Amino acid sequence: NAGVTQTPKFQVLKTGQSMTLQCAQDMNHNSMYWYRQDPGMGLRLIYYSASEGTTDKGEVPNGYNVSRLNKREFSLRLESAAPSQTSVYFCASRGGYSDEQYFGPGTRLTVT
Amino acid sequence: GENVEQHPSTLSVQEGDSAVIKCTYSDSASNYFPWYKQELGKGPQLIIDIRSNVGEKKDQRIAVTLNKTAKHFSLHITETQPEDSAVYFCAASILGSGGSNYKLTFGKGTLLTVNP
Repeated sequence: NAGVTQTPKFQVLKTGQSMTLQCAQDMNHNSMYWYRQDPGMGLRLIYYSASEGTTDKGEVPNGYNVSRLNKREFSLRLESAAPSQTSVYFCASRGGYSDEQYFGPGTRLTVT
Repeated sequence: GENVEQHPSTLSVQEGDSAVIKCTYSDSASNYFPWYKQELGKGPQLIIDIRSNVGEKKDQRIAVTLNKTAKHFSLHITETQPEDSAVYFCAASILGSGGSNYKLTFGKGTLLTVNP
């Protein structure tokens, strides 16, 4: 069991470039989440997917789009990166009878 | 929406001492309060959680208390060890009947340093 995996681990973008952050889980979880973590700000929810085929906005969705490709995969896309999107991005999943969210190792993104 | 305040932002203790981190929440409908530990370079990991029908929960050296009237909850770590050094986050959520799409609102985190 790999749990929650994220790719890439690190990425540097120039302002205006686009990219997709990938997330996959092998725990057969229904719900998946994308967070961003900034110094002194804690973890803020960007988007989430309660189940395959559904997505909803979180606290800070502007500038992002998501796709729940299938039950395993949930991707986050930045269409036109901005320096304000420099952050560490975490994917998480939850399912079964547990309330626990399982987090991936994160992607550190720098936008110059 | 829910707002979670966490204090202190940094906490330094000597090995063997106790550490207490406190959080308050704003939405009286919140009924689930987890605590996550984040080690350097890793994703957060759940260490303990409590539901609103329970006032206290313990797991070895870790305990969480909840005061629904005052809308605050606390993490207590006893006999601290250097490996307890990490960032700790509290969170609050509303678990519905299905519970499949609940959202966590996190506090801003506490950097705990345990000095040998």
